[in-house]
Amino acid sequence: AQSVTQLDSQVPVFEEAPVELRCNYSSSVSVYLFWYVQYPNQGLQLLLKYLSGSTLVKGINGFEAEFNKSQTSFHLRKPSVHISDTAEYFCAVSSRDDKIIFGKGTRLHILP
Amino acid sequence: DVKVTQSSRYLVKRTGEKVFLECVQDMDHENMFWYRQDPGLGLRLIYFSYDVKMKEKGDIPEGYSVSREKKERFSLILESASTNQTSMYLCASSLGPAGDTQYFGPGTRLTVL
Repeated sequence: AQSVTQLDSQVPVFEEAPVELRCNYSSSVSVYLFWYVQYPNQGLQLLLKYLSGSTLVKGINGFEAEFNKSQTSFHLRKPSVHISDTAEYFCAVSSRDDKIIFGKGTRLHILP
Repeated sequence: DVKVTQSSRYLVKRTGEKVFLECVQDMDHENMFWYRQDPGLGLRLIYFSYDVKMKEKGDIPEGYSVSREKKERFSLILESASTNQTSMYLCASSLGPAGDTQYFGPGTRLTVL
């Protein structure tokens, strides 16, 4: 069975500072990995996804994530955050034969 | 531009009422999903459908049923609403299998009194 753990429920960070949101997964098969973002009062939208190939994945709004198979991690990073990045971020995992599993989410708070 | 719409943004119902939540997608997607979102619990899958008239139970199907009579429409039904079903309900769709992007609607915040 697959599972995904987001290690931080909330992350405060100053505007223009870098941020890393952590995600670890467990799976016995090859995985697909996703980061979704939910802005206030909206549904989720895809930030980026890893299916295969290069382990560094670039997404929208300047975010990127790195797939690390040995550490079973898929951490999300941004070098300089903006107030508009205030949102909840969800890591998710699936495989070819299984449905997607979402983490519990990380709330990103941008401090002025 | 892809679009998933949900019939209501906010809904207030009384305990014991039958509740219908409607979801429509305009992308000709095969797969449709219903999730509930609760603080600290993330998204939990209630039901999904991979074809018209087909449905599969997710992780928390108890107290819910679904209907998919047309490809673009996926309905979630609460047969007898209870206060513990107060939640945010999110509908999503995807074109293909597990690796495909899911597109979400804006959500319906349901309150059961």
